[in-house]
Amino acid sequence: AQKITQTQPGMFVQEKEAVTLDCTYDTSDPSYGLFWYKQPSSGEMIFLIYQGSYDQQNATEGRYSLNFQKARKSANLVISASQLGDSAMYFCAMREYNQGGKLIFGQGTELSVKP
Amino acid sequence: DTGVSQNPRHKITKRGQNVTFRCDPISEHNRLYWYRQTLGQGPEFLTYFQNEAQLEKSRLLSDRFSAERPKGSFSTLEIQRTEQGDSAMYLCASSSSTGGGASSQETQYFGPGTRLLVL
Repeated sequence: AQKITQTQPGMFVQEKEAVTLDCTYDTSDPSYGLFWYKQPSSGEMIFLIYQGSYDQQNATEGRYSLNFQKARKSANLVISASQLGDSAMYFCAMREYNQGGKLIFGQGTELSVKP
Repeated sequence: DTGVSQNPRHKITKRGQNVTFRCDPISEHNRLYWYRQTLGQGPEFLTYFQNEAQLEKSRLLSDRFSAERPKGSFSTLEIQRTEQGDSAMYLCASSSSTGGGASSQETQYFGPGTRLLVL
């Protein structure tokens, strides 16, 4: 079974508008962390934002926010005021604390920002 | 503060040859991870080290793959008798584990990757 599901292979957004990238996860571990990474065409994975399973508030980092709905097991990334430089692949990942340090990644969403 | 570096950035080899990749983590990080990413997929975990100890290996890591981190600093990933199916991006990441358990964010920071093409 997929542990991380990203159902949007590709998304388009107009520059300066907001966009939501979906991520659902599956775990029986009560302690886990959720991460979003950006991967431009150059290949390097860039950390964007983190949400812990016990965090009471949704995480925010600048233009990035994470819409964490624990009961629904979803951790959607919201990018506000999209910029052309936001065009990239976006990956949702999970770390289960009883499974060591490894990250489990989804298949990614390719975001294209239109001028 | 330099990030994670990986060498080489690109490698083309013929089937059956051995290849070795190197990863230099962020200097104060005690954990180092290797992932493999094929086209159109997310990265898949291969193995990780805490200091010089290899703590976990994925089933993806066949006996042709070996990784080392001899002094707890840089790491090497060797693939013996390469096959065309080994063609992928090999990503290295490092993190600082403080042992904080469930409250530990332990963000992994990735290098630029090594793209391997096996002909």
